[in-house]
Amino acid sequence: GQQLNQSPQSMFIQEGEDVSMNCTSSSIFNTWLWYKQDPGEGPVLLIALYKAGELTSNGRLTAQFGITRKDSFLNISASIPSDVGIYFCAGRQESRSTGTASKLTFGTGTRLQVTL
Amino acid sequence: DTGVSQNPRHKITKRGQNVTFRCDPISEHNRLYWYRQTLGQGPEFLTYFQNEAQLEKSRLLSDRFSAERPKGSFSTLEIQRTEQGDSAMYLCASSPTLGFRGMNTEAFFGQGTRLTVV
Repeated sequence: GQQLNQSPQSMFIQEGEDVSMNCTSSSIFNTWLWYKQDPGEGPVLLIALYKAGELTSNGRLTAQFGITRKDSFLNISASIPSDVGIYFCAGRQESRSTGTASKLTFGTGTRLQVTL
Repeated sequence: DTGVSQNPRHKITKRGQNVTFRCDPISEHNRLYWYRQTLGQGPEFLTYFQNEAQLEKSRLLSDRFSAERPKGSFSTLEIQRTEQGDSAMYLCASSPTLGFRGMNTEAFFGQGTRLTVV
């Protein structure tokens, strides 16, 4: 199945550093989501974006919905050890006529490791 | 615990055997989704239900796979004649009917069932 392209694939950073990652698609999405997944667990929603150009924050996390609707960015400021995990972007193409939610298309993931 | 519950958490089975997984969604959520995640990849959509109606199925869902949600509450995913390629994490998620957009209307995932076919 289709997967969105995320970069970088993995990154090692020091505690306190800022982190940036992005997600690109060949298709347009109406909604962009960012999830974090810890080993052996399901993804946990971090941020949801619904409008092109939208910039949304959740604590130390900031995400943007690209103007072209084909990309999204996630920034983590002042990283801490518990930020370790895999970050996934996900896009959704909603039905305009029914307004119903449908499937998510996930990215390939960015693995973040934080060193003290 | 009011989250999405999946059972079992782990399943090891021999090739050719049938397996069934269960998902209990968040009680007020009427949408339920199944995804499959292989090692090093993001989750891939399999199917989703609105109440008891199965509204969409992915081409990944071969004829050996069947999902049900008979009373619009819990759901089961059955894999018949398992193959080694079926080894993966099977994730269930649920969401309320889309209304005012916000994080509370998005899919909440369970912890998954990890299937290993030997």
